Amino acid sequence: EDQVTQSPEALRLQEGESSSLNCSYTVSGLRGLFWYRQDPGKGPEFLFTLYSAGEEKEKERLKATLTKKESFLHITAPKPEDSATYLCAVGGANYGGSQGNLIFGKGTKLSVKP
Amino acid sequence: DAGVTQSPTHLIKTRGQHVTLRCSPISGHKSVSWYQQVLGQGPQFIFQYYEKEERGRGNFPDRFSARQFPNYSSELNVNALLLGDSALYLCASSLPSYNEQFFGPGTRLTVL
Repeated sequence: EDQVTQSPEALRLQEGESSSLNCSYTVSGLRGLFWYRQDPGKGPEFLFTLYSAGEEKEKERLKATLTKKESFLHITAPKPEDSATYLCAVGGANYGGSQGNLIFGKGTKLSVKP
Repeated sequence: DAGVTQSPTHLIKTRGQHVTLRCSPISGHKSVSWYQQVLGQGPQFIFQYYEKEERGRGNFPDRFSARQFPNYSSELNVNALLLGDSALYLCASSLPSYNEQFFGPGTRLTVL
């Protein structure tokens, strides 16, 4: 069964304190690993797509990396505005733009204190 | 360009009623997916439509149905509402040649 597990469930950081969020996945034929940011009561905001082990993507203070079994979202020198829930999702073997679904983890709730 | 739009923003219903939620995709996107997100959980897949045809269905009861219109907008219908249907309902659109799905702001449904 395709599955996504995120850890930790919650993470509290001081401003400027770098850390990493983990996303472990089990899927039969990965067709993309996706990171989203979600603010309370809002829809998820797309951040990154990774397709193959060794791939890395960066955006401002965020960097996403991918191995064959997990992905990390590294946050460098976070600011209070980075506080949000970060969701990881995978597309399974049949996933594609015209069919299939994303399988989400429960998310990591990040709080950054000034 | 406008992103994915959903209406209404909030909705309060009582048990047994039915509800219709609406979604307009990003211009040029022909695929629309619906997800349910309960508090503290990640979104769970309900339906995907592409070119007005159902391309995928998640593990939801037959009380849930959807359709896509010629302009690629979509409706999600839920009949015989239960308290457990209270959730944030998300719509996402995508291009057929890309895997990324872009989400709307969601409709918060509360069933009393």
